[in-house]
Amino acid sequence: AQSVTQLDSQVPVFEEAPVELRCNYSSSVSVYLFWYVQYPNQGLQLLLKYLSGSTLVKGINGFEAEFNKSQTSFHLRKPSVHISDTAEYFCAVIAPYNQGGKLIFGQGTELSVKP
Amino acid sequence: DVKVTQSSRYLVKRTGEKVFLECVQDMDHENMFWYRQDPGLGLRLIYFSYDVKMKEKGDIPEGYSVSREKKERFSLILESASTNQTSMYLCASSPPYSSLNTEAFFGQGTRLTVV
Repeated sequence: AQSVTQLDSQVPVFEEAPVELRCNYSSSVSVYLFWYVQYPNQGLQLLLKYLSGSTLVKGINGFEAEFNKSQTSFHLRKPSVHISDTAEYFCAVIAPYNQGGKLIFGQGTELSVKP
Repeated sequence: DVKVTQSSRYLVKRTGEKVFLECVQDMDHENMFWYRQDPGLGLRLIYFSYDVKMKEKGDIPEGYSVSREKKERFSLILESASTNQTSMYLCASSPPYSSLNTEAFFGQGTRLTVV
C-alpha cells in the first residue's frame, strides 16, 4: 500500500527567503505524485504533478519539485517566497487501480511567510 | 472549468441522525473520492469509487457508507452521526490513472458539525 509522509508540520520563513517542503512516499510500484495548496477557507488547488519524464517539475506560482526515485522523495521548493504563499501544502500519491488505485495524502505542511 | 460541487458548505446535525453529503462532478470522471480533513491529520480517505456502483474502502471507512448510482454523483452517508464525525469533508474527482491528464479536482468542502 502507498503512504505519504510530510516531514514538517509547520515551516515559518521570512519573505523573499527560499523554502523547501519535504515529502517522502512509500510504494512498491510506480506512482504519480502531486502537490496541492490550500489557502485559508478555500478548497485544494493543484500546484504541480509528476507523471513521467523529467524529474524536475515546474508548477504554478514559481514552485517546482524534484522527483527522486532512489530516495522516494518529492520535495517542493521555491527560491523566493511571498506573503501570499502562506497556506497549507499537501503532497499526494496515486497508484494504478490494480495496485490500490487510491489517492493518498500526507499530513500537510503549514507554510507561514512573515514580513 | 471543471466543477466539483458539494451540496452544502456548512451543516449542523444531531447525534444519531442519518446524514447525506452529496457531490456532483461535471467532467465525466471515472474516479471519485471522499476525504475528511482534520487539523494535523491532513486528508484521510474514507471511500473511493472507480466506476458506477463500484466502491472501495479507504483508510477510515468505519461509520460511513457511500453510493454511486450515476457517474457524476457520489454520496457519503453517515448512518448514525456521532460527535467524533465533526469535521471538514472534501469530495474529489479524477480521470483514471491511465490518463496522462490525471489529477484530482476538489469541491469546496462541507463543514459538518454534529451536536
